[in-house]
Amino acid sequence: DAGITQSPRHKVTETGTPVTLRCHQTENHRYMYWYRQDPGHGLRLIHYSYGVKDTDKGEVSDGYSVSRSKTEDFLLTLESATSSQTSVYFCAISEGLAGGGTQYFGPGTRLLVL
Amino acid sequence: GENVEQHPSTLSVQEGDSAVIKCTYSDSASNYFPWYKQELGKRPQLIIDIRSNVGEKKDQRIAVTLNKTAKHFSLHITETQPEDSAVYFCAASMNSGGYQKVTFGTGTKLQVIP
Repeated sequence: DAGITQSPRHKVTETGTPVTLRCHQTENHRYMYWYRQDPGHGLRLIHYSYGVKDTDKGEVSDGYSVSRSKTEDFLLTLESATSSQTSVYFCAISEGLAGGGTQYFGPGTRLLVL
Repeated sequence: GENVEQHPSTLSVQEGDSAVIKCTYSDSASNYFPWYKQELGKRPQLIIDIRSNVGEKKDQRIAVTLNKTAKHFSLHITETQPEDSAVYFCAASMNSGGYQKVTFGTGTKLQVIP
């Protein structure tokens, strides 16, 4: 597996509380992504980053924000968690299509919002 | 935006038989098509990929074909084994505004019956 870790791996929280998920890479890849995975929907892009401090929205970005202050770290924040944000969250890294195109995924974070 | 449809959603085969999973995409700008395998509770991992300038690619028991005109691509697994049981995702990828945009299919759950 590529050098990608996610923390925490599991989290239970209550509606209305803020939650931050961390993705850490040791591969020095330029691109980092946050996806959520739900039954019947596959993997849907929340936000992505194309460099330090450079981020943009994906298809399901409402209720989420991100930050990337260092190449190796990409944080996903749920400002005020809702039950609809219960999901498995995967971080991914890539060198982009110019670098081959393969995305490498982290181990995932299971989030339950009560 | 890009839309990727994947069929079937579930597939059961006898050990030793072949399995075929099909995907269609909508945007002719997509030029990279990876396939990921996800075992239960694990992260998605790349098993094979194909680029738009190639019609077919094979790696041992796994092959992928691409028909750019029809905008569809397929995964073929021959001589299936119980360890092939997993969820398989197709994806279509393109350059979009300077980053690698990836759209995933909704997944196929493959069960190989011993």
